Amino acid sequence: QKEVEQNSGPLSVPEGAIASLNCTYSDRGSQSFFWYRQYSGKSPELIMFIYSNGDKEDGRFTAQLNKASQYVSLLIRDSQPSDSATYLCAATTGGFKTIFGAGTRLFVKA
Amino acid sequence: DARVTQTPRHKVTEMGQEVTMRCQPILGHNTVFWYRQTMMQGLELLAYFRNRAPLDDSGMPKDRFSAEMPDATLATLKIQPSEPRDSAVYFCASGLARLATNTDTQYFGPGTRLTVL
Repeated sequence: QKEVEQNSGPLSVPEGAIASLNCTYSDRGSQSFFWYRQYSGKSPELIMFIYSNGDKEDGRFTAQLNKASQYVSLLIRDSQPSDSATYLCAATTGGFKTIFGAGTRLFVKA
Repeated sequence: DARVTQTPRHKVTEMGQEVTMRCQPILGHNTVFWYRQTMMQGLELLAYFRNRAPLDDSGMPKDRFSAEMPDATLATLKIQPSEPRDSAVYFCASGLARLATNTDTQYFGPGTRLTVL
């Protein structure tokens, strides 16, 4: 069973702090990795994707990928209360089959 | 403003009834995915299509679920007969598969909240 694992949380950080979300995957054939944000009662929305080892930055968000360790992370700088949501990590194989993790709930305290 | 649309947004039905959910992918997208989300199981991939052809439906209970793409603008997910354990939010997502970079960013519809009594 190919899996994507995330700590369910909740992860609580104060406003303005860095939130660090982590994800591991079991399928070494996974090629692309995605972070989605899902607010309660809403559909997932894409934050970032990454497919090369290293860091990828987009505004306050940085995705990190380490294929040797099968590890993906998302850093949120200057966290805001509006960042409070569930963050879903997903991995896609070459056949575009996507497996989602269970998600990490993030709370940013004002 | 290109979006994935899904109908109905909410559906309450009785056990044994047929349920059909519809999805209109974003124009130009070549992949369509059906997911089911519950508190217990999270987001599960049921089936997906590329260029209207089914690529994988291994996540779907074959005896009662069926997924089709009659044309490029419509995907359907049907449950017959429905059971209480099918109660969940069903999401459709579409994307544009980019073979050169092996990326397939998916854009989700608003979901259909299904309750089977």
